[in-house]
Amino acid sequence: NAGVMQNPRHLVRRRGQEARLRCSPMKGHSHVYWYRQLPEEGLKFMVYLQKENIIDESGMPKERFSAEFPKEGPSILRIQQVVRGDSAAYFCASSPPGTRGGEQFFGPGTRLTVL
Amino acid sequence: AQSVAQPEDQVNVAEGNPLTVKCTYSVSGNPYLFWYVQYPNRGLQFLLKYITGDNLVKGSYGFEAEFNKSQTSFHLKKPSALVSDSALYFCAVRSAGGTSYGKLTFGQGTILTVHP
Repeated sequence: NAGVMQNPRHLVRRRGQEARLRCSPMKGHSHVYWYRQLPEEGLKFMVYLQKENIIDESGMPKERFSAEFPKEGPSILRIQQVVRGDSAAYFCASSPPGTRGGEQFFGPGTRLTVL
Repeated sequence: AQSVAQPEDQVNVAEGNPLTVKCTYSVSGNPYLFWYVQYPNRGLQFLLKYITGDNLVKGSYGFEAEFNKSQTSFHLKKPSALVSDSALYFCAVRSAGGTSYGKLTFGQGTILTVHP
């Protein structure tokens, strides 16, 4: 059973461009979470999605950031008009349905560098 | 609001000695507590969790953690450290109820260095 997959692993963008980060959850997992790790900081929750629904987006910046988890295909974290402060590692995690107490399984992350 | 504190940025121990990485938490209601380990340029690997039941939880690679409700702590321990345990360790909490049950809140992390 493959783990959580994220691509690309490394992404370089110039200021003002768009960044699209993809996450494929583990097989059978229908819950996806996105976290951001800034340099020298811990992980910060961004958004929690289930198929076609945003459950909790309390950690998402109010502008330029959006996330989706369509019925088919991977979850996408989209950052429009990137700025240098967006440079960070973005981690996706997944969990199976019906396991509110269970652990989240993390992907290897996408390291975004904004020039 | 929920929060996690890892009071030590770094912990240094000699190989073969016991290790402890400290964690305290704050959450409304009952907590779900987790420890994860992160190696350089890698994702987080799950070590262990406390949901309910015995206060002493055993996990991967010989690690264990003790849940102490009165002290709101969940310290990570290992009886005999290995050099390969050197990594960044994160404690995390989520609420057992409420609308933010999907949200993991992480501590700042503790760098564990095990010296040969």
